[in-house]
Amino acid sequence: DAGVIQSPRHEVTEMGQEVTLRCKPISGHDYLFWYRQTMMRGLELLIYFNNNVPIDDSGMPEDRFSAKMPNASFSTLKIQPSEPRDSAVYFCASRSRWDSSAQYFGPGTRLLVL
Amino acid sequence: QQPVQSPQAVILREGEDAVINCSSSKALYSVHWYRQKHGEAPVFLMILLKGGEQKGHDKISASFNEKKQQSSLYLTASQLSYSGTYFCGTGPSPDSNYQLIWGAGTKLIIKP
Repeated sequence: DAGVIQSPRHEVTEMGQEVTLRCKPISGHDYLFWYRQTMMRGLELLIYFNNNVPIDDSGMPEDRFSAKMPNASFSTLKIQPSEPRDSAVYFCASRSRWDSSAQYFGPGTRLLVL
Repeated sequence: QQPVQSPQAVILREGEDAVINCSSSKALYSVHWYRQKHGEAPVFLMILLKGGEQKGHDKISASFNEKKQQSSLYLTASQLSYSGTYFCGTGPSPDSNYQLIWGAGTKLIIKP
């Protein structure tokens, strides 16, 4: 199994630009999570999906952030326009409904907004 | 509300034991433990559920005290590979197993 795949692994952009982060969950997993990690705020859940449907997006910071899951094997997190305070590591994680425990994290995307 | 982890950081010699605590102000249904090595993603260690027993994983085990609303992670005879930041994620109800509230982490450094 390839695990959760994220791209790009690193992204450097300028303030005001659009940023799109991509995630491919583990095949067969029903749940997909987007997290943001910073030194100041730690690990924060932004949004999660169940069977491609967004369940809770209360962690999305503001309207500049949006997430989609058009099918079971692909999700995107978009920031438009980006700001320096969005700089963080963004993780995608997936989980199976048959496993009541583990979330499997991808390697993360390290985003730097200048 | 975010669970409180203690200590924030600990430095040990290889072979020594460590205890990491995770306390919540809310009633808990589950506690999840993860380890994250520098520059890597968090990796699942174990989950403890309300009414469950203490769990073990090699020389890493954990307990869950429902009344005190806290969990402890025990690392016995620590190895260099145990270095990293340990996070607890808490769920107040069975439905919240998907939506964990994460502690700030405990950084563990193991020296040879």
